[in-house]
Amino acid sequence: NAGVTQTPKFQVLKTGQSMTLQCAQDMNHNSMYWYRQDPGMGLRLIYYSASEGTTDKGEVPNGYNVSRLNKREFSLRLESAAPSQTSVYFCASSLQGPPDTQYFGPGTRLTVL
Amino acid sequence: AQSVAQPEDQVNVAEGNPLTVKCTYSVSGNPYLFWYVQYPNRGLQFLLKYITGDNLVKGSYGFEAEFNKSQTSFHLKKPSALVSDSALYFCAVRLNSNSGYALNFGKGTSLLVTP
Repeated sequence: NAGVTQTPKFQVLKTGQSMTLQCAQDMNHNSMYWYRQDPGMGLRLIYYSASEGTTDKGEVPNGYNVSRLNKREFSLRLESAAPSQTSVYFCASSLQGPPDTQYFGPGTRLTVL
Repeated sequence: AQSVAQPEDQVNVAEGNPLTVKCTYSVSGNPYLFWYVQYPNRGLQFLLKYITGDNLVKGSYGFEAEFNKSQTSFHLKKPSALVSDSALYFCAVRLNSNSGYALNFGKGTSLLVTP
């Protein structure tokens, strides 16, 4: 059981480039989430998918898009990267509803120059 | 809005001493509260959660947390700190169904346990 996996682990982009962050879980969870972590700001929700086929915006969705490809996979896309998107990105999943525990992936460290 | 606050950016404790990492919450209704730990360059690991019932919740690695409704607090505690407990600790509250039951995190408290 790998839990929640994320690729890549590290990425450096130039301003304006695009990329997709991949996330997969093997726990048969229904809900998946993308957070970003910035120093002194905790984790902030970017997008979530409550169930397969649905996605919704979180607290800081601007500049991002997501795809819930199937029950296992939830990807995050940056269409035109900006330096403000330099951050560590975490994917998480949970079974569904309260008060299920969320399980986190190892994170992707992204730098936009 | 459901939110938590961690008033301390850093907590320093000597090994063997008890530790407390503070968290206060602001929620409407009954809160679902969580503690997570993050070791350097790693993802977040679940420690414990409060749903309902006993105010003292026991979790992983010898940690426990006390839910105090009158003080709206959910402080993380451990009777005897280890150097290996040094990490970043996050308190979080579960949001409602309108946010997919996502978590709203505090800013984190860095715990340093010295030998």
